[in-house]
Amino acid sequence: DTAVSQTPKYLVTQMGNDKSIKCEQNLGHDTMYWYKQDSKKFLKIMFSYNNKELIINETVPNRFSPKSPDKAHLNLHINSLELGDSAVYFCASSRATPDTQYFGPGTRLTVL
Amino acid sequence: AQSVTQLDSQVPVFEEAPVELRCNYSSSVSVYLFWYVQYPNQGLQLLLKYLSGSTLVKGINGFEAEFNKSQTSFHLRKPSVHISDTAEYFCAVSVAGKLIFGQGTTLQVKP
Repeated sequence: DTAVSQTPKYLVTQMGNDKSIKCEQNLGHDTMYWYKQDSKKFLKIMFSYNNKELIINETVPNRFSPKSPDKAHLNLHINSLELGDSAVYFCASSRATPDTQYFGPGTRLTVL
Repeated sequence: AQSVTQLDSQVPVFEEAPVELRCNYSSSVSVYLFWYVQYPNQGLQLLLKYLSGSTLVKGINGFEAEFNKSQTSFHLRKPSVHISDTAEYFCAVSVAGKLIFGQGTTLQVKP
């Protein structure tokens, strides 16, 4: 009965590779988010989707492309991975704003 | 621009002692404030939130926070901490559909 799930939990890859992280929520929420937590634990929003429509894009490099096939899923694809992309990526969802955002367990991405 | 400042990066405290984690915000619009907790290698869990109404907000695990508009603060308190409260605590403000987080405060509860 996991509310917000992410796969994989850990992702180790080489520079230049392309990788995807998947997120699913079973809360019936309309809005989903991607956040990045850096090595100093600072959290910053990357994207937000509402009913499959992109509503927030926070000056993220074009190498990052979110995709929402339906309102329960929000995937993150990253092209040409760089060392600086190493971080923990969190997916979240909410019913509306400014309502509570529910977070997934995170995906720890390590780029070698 | 809206921002959140958590005044202490680390707070060491002994078990059963009271604790206060400080948070100040700047916002020129309606304020919606949150405290989240992150246990090691886990996602964020909501402790409490202020959207409107009473300025004293009670949350889970015995935590409470007080919204102070004049001081632009939303400090988190617990009268008696447990070892299990050791975690990272984040204050956040909701603005235009996104959460803006503070830098986080590491609460270290010692036996």
